[in-house]
Amino acid sequence: QVQLVQSGSELKKPGASVKVSCKASGYTFTSYAMNWVRQAPGQGLEWMGWINTNTGNPTYAQGFTGRFVFSLDTSVSTAYLQISSLKAEDTAVYYCARDDDYWGQGTLVTVSS
Amino acid sequence: QSVLTQPPSASGTPGQRVTISCSGSSSNIGSNYVYWYQQLPGTAPKLLIYRNNQRPSGVPDRFSGSKSGTSASLAISGLRSEDEADYYCAAWDDSLKVFGGGTKLTVL
Repeated sequence: QVQLVQSGSELKKPGASVKVSCKASGYTFTSYAMNWVRQAPGQGLEWMGWINTNTGNPTYAQGFTGRFVFSLDTSVSTAYLQISSLKAEDTAVYYCARDDDYWGQGTLVTVSS
Repeated sequence: QSVLTQPPSASGTPGQRVTISCSGSSSNIGSNYVYWYQQLPGTAPKLLIYRNNQRPSGVPDRFSGSKSGTSASLAISGLRSEDEADYYCAAWDDSLKVFGGGTKLTVL
């Protein structure tokens, strides 16, 4: 069965970086795109962009350029989201989602001094 | 401000039929498929409807989707207490994915 398992919660200080992983299983990793979605506390879903798992080419939504980087390690069927220069407003749950269907369980990133 | 517009809340009593609307434009709903996601409290979103009106395996047929022009709707019949959740519509818009702001469904 398709599974997307994300790394655990992170507590970071402002200015630090964080890397969230999303390990896929149950399907051919390079056959489906991987999306990233942010959900701030008490808020709705916000699409951050996607990465082509064949070419590694990322597409970022407006507001997620510069400090946000999508990457892959196809040898271990894993997608990554790295956020640098963290700010308090980056505090959110970050989800990976295969194409339009399966979602990871989410990773809470808390940015606080 | 979300690109797709949903009512912030909806409610119904057990057994009732409720509908949730999603309004967009010609560049998103008007020319692409609509997806619906259910997010139960404290959990990740789950795909409920894809390609406007298709249900993934395991989703009860109490859930149905429809689309007309630049609007879409999700209908839930035979409402149950476990349907209490947030519901989001989504569509692609010129290679970018857009979501509605979400509708909180309360089962009274």
